[in-house]
Amino acid sequence: EAGVVQSPRYKIIEKKQPVAFWCNPISGHNTLYWYRQNLGQGPELLIRYENEEAVDDSQLPKDRFSAERLKGVDSTLKIQPAELGDSAVYLCASSFAGQIQETQYFGPGTRLLVL
Amino acid sequence: GENVEQHPSTLSVQEGDSAVIKCTYSDSASNYFPWYKQELGKGPQLIIDIRSNVGEKKDQRIAVTLNKTAKHFSLHITETQPEDSAVYFCAAKRTGNQFYFGTGTSLTVIP
Repeated sequence: EAGVVQSPRYKIIEKKQPVAFWCNPISGHNTLYWYRQNLGQGPELLIRYENEEAVDDSQLPKDRFSAERLKGVDSTLKIQPAELGDSAVYLCASSFAGQIQETQYFGPGTRLLVL
Repeated sequence: GENVEQHPSTLSVQEGDSAVIKCTYSDSASNYFPWYKQELGKGPQLIIDIRSNVGEKKDQRIAVTLNKTAKHFSLHITETQPEDSAVYFCAAKRTGNQFYFGTGTSLTVIP
C-alpha cells in the first residue's frame, strides 16, 4: 500500500514569491492534516480536513496561506507571498476518522527555504 | 486546548542500555497517545500507541505506559541499538480533535 505522497520534496524560493505544496493521502483516508515543523520542534497543525471540509483551520495564517482539498482526496497548500519565517518542513498526514484508534500516517514532508 | 510537555530534549545512552522518554498532558479528555520516530529527512513514523483504557502496551523492545491520574505517559526502549538513534515525539488526542505534539527528544545510542 502506498503511503502519503508529497511533492516537491525540497523548494527554495525568494521572499515574496508564491509556493505550493501537494499531498496525496493514503487511499480511503478521509482526514487530511497539514502541519508545519520548525527545526527542533514538533509538528504544529495548520489545517485539518474531514473529506472536503476544513474542520480546523484556526492556526492557518489566512492572510498568506490557503489550502484546498478538492473531491476529498488530494490537497494543496499555498503560501503567497512567502516570508523568511516560513522556512520550515511542511508535513502532510492522513488518517481514517471513525476508527477507535485514529492512526495518523505522515508523508516525507516538503522542506521549504525562503531566501 | 491540550498542552503536551516532553522530557528530556536530548538523551544519550550506551548501546544495550534502556532509554525512557516522558510526556505530560493537560486535557483529561485526551484518550489516544501515539509515539513517533523521526529520522533525519523523513516524516514522523508511528512506532507505538496506547489508548486511555490501557495502562501499558509492549511491542518487542518498545513499551509505553500511561498514568491517567497523573496525566503522563512514557516510552521505554530496551536493549537500545544504534538504529534507534532518532528524534522521538509523543502526542495526545481526544476523539474528534486534533493531535497535539511534544517538542521531541533527540536520542543518540552510542555504539
